[in-house]
Amino acid sequence: SQKIEQNSEALNIQEGKTATLTCNYTNYSPAYLQWYRQDPGRGPVFLLLIRENEKEKRKERLKVTFDTTLKQSLFHITASQPADSATYLCALVSDSNYQLIWGAGTKLIIKP
Amino acid sequence: ETGVTQTPRHLVMGMTNKKSLKCEQHLGHNAMYWYKQSAKKPLELMFVYNFKEQTENNSVPSRFSPECPNSSHLFLHLHTLQPEDSALYLCASSPRLAGSVSYEQYFGPGTRLTVT
Repeated sequence: SQKIEQNSEALNIQEGKTATLTCNYTNYSPAYLQWYRQDPGRGPVFLLLIRENEKEKRKERLKVTFDTTLKQSLFHITASQPADSATYLCALVSDSNYQLIWGAGTKLIIKP
Repeated sequence: ETGVTQTPRHLVMGMTNKKSLKCEQHLGHNAMYWYKQSAKKPLELMFVYNFKEQTENNSVPSRFSPECPNSSHLFLHLHTLQPEDSALYLCASSPRLAGSVSYEQYFGPGTRLTVT
């Protein structure tokens, strides 16, 4: 079955450093991958979408890569700030019904 | 109001109660979704509506009954729930169904449901 894995352990990063989150998938050939941010008690907020023919996508301090050979996406936050602390979710489009299939998310903690 | 709103934000109900969750989107989108989010687990897609028509029902128990009277409003009717149904219920919308294109989804704040 199609499966998405994100590191379930919280990631602690010192303020100012680059935070890198990983999203791995199996049994998939997704055309698109999305990253969302979720704060406690809130719904996810869309951040970036990357297509299979794009190796990298940037938005301000955010960068996403998509390696279809490794079946992996990396999400980077440069010059991290405490306000970046949240849970980050990746989601892939199912190739059967085109609905999003979600990872469980990785909690990121930026320490001042 | 802007974006996607959900009411109530918190709900405690007994197993014999009947309640409804409401979602409204002010984005002019045509597709709306119900998700269940349990702690440490991925979002579970429950129902999808496109232009008021249900297009997905991911094997959701009949004690959850969706209703979509128009493209802006979505309800989730709840009855005889079980304690394991306690979770965050999220509503989302997107411009249209994905098809061959993946549209981002816009989420409401969710309803925190506790079944006692």
